Amino acid sequence: QKEVEQNSGPLSVPEGAIASLNCTYSDRGSQSFFWYRQYSGKSPELIMSIYSNGDKEDGRFTAQLNKASQYVSLLIRDSQPSDSATYLCAGNFGNEKLTFGTGTRLTIIP
Amino acid sequence: DGGITQSPKYLFRKEGQNVTLSCEQNLNHDAMYWYRQDPGQGLRLIYYSQIVNDFQKGDIAEGYSVSREKKESFPLTVTSAQKNPTAFYLCASSIWGDGELFFGEGSRLTVL
Repeated sequence: QKEVEQNSGPLSVPEGAIASLNCTYSDRGSQSFFWYRQYSGKSPELIMSIYSNGDKEDGRFTAQLNKASQYVSLLIRDSQPSDSATYLCAGNFGNEKLTFGTGTRLTIIP
Repeated sequence: DGGITQSPKYLFRKEGQNVTLSCEQNLNHDAMYWYRQDPGQGLRLIYYSQIVNDFQKGDIAEGYSVSREKKESFPLTVTSAQKNPTAFYLCASSIWGDGELFFGEGSRLTVL
C-alpha cells in the first residue's frame, strides 16, 4: 500500500513568517507530487505541483522534492491570515491515481 | 465558465434509502473521480473512470455504485449497503494520468 504521511497539526505560524509543511511517502516509484489547499467546508484546490527533485517556486509558495529521502515540503513565505487552511499532500505513484495524505491544518496568527 | 457542478450541496437520507449524487463537468476531461472525506481526514477514493462506459473501484467502493454513460457525467449512488454514509463527497476530473484534479464544490450527506 502506497502511503503519504503528513503531520495533522495544527501548525500555528505568526503572520509574515514562513510556514513549512512536510510530507513523507513510502514508495520509491513515485513520480510527481501535488499540494492542495482546502478551506474549511470547501473543496480542495491545487496550488503547487512538482515533478522532479529540487525546488519549484510560484509567488510566495515553494515546493521541494527529495526523492532519495522520500520527502516533499511546501514553504509559504510572508504568511497571511488567508493562508489559514488545511494543506493536502498527494502523490502519483505511477498507477495514475493520486494518494492523498490526511492533511495539515495551518493557522496564521495575526 | 468551465468547471464541475455537484448537486445537491446538502442531502439528508433516512437509513435504508439509496441516494444519488450528481456530478457534471464541462472541462472536456476524460477522467472523473469520486472521493469521500470524513472530518479531519484526507480524501479516500471511491470510484474512478478513465473513459465513457468504463469505471474502476477505488479503495472504499463497497456500498457505492457509479455509471459513466456520458463523458460529462459521473453520478454516484450511495446504497443502503453503505454502513456509515455520513460524509463530504467530492467529485473531481482531470486529464487522465495528470495529478492536477479539478474539484466540484462537494455534496454533504447526512444520514438521519
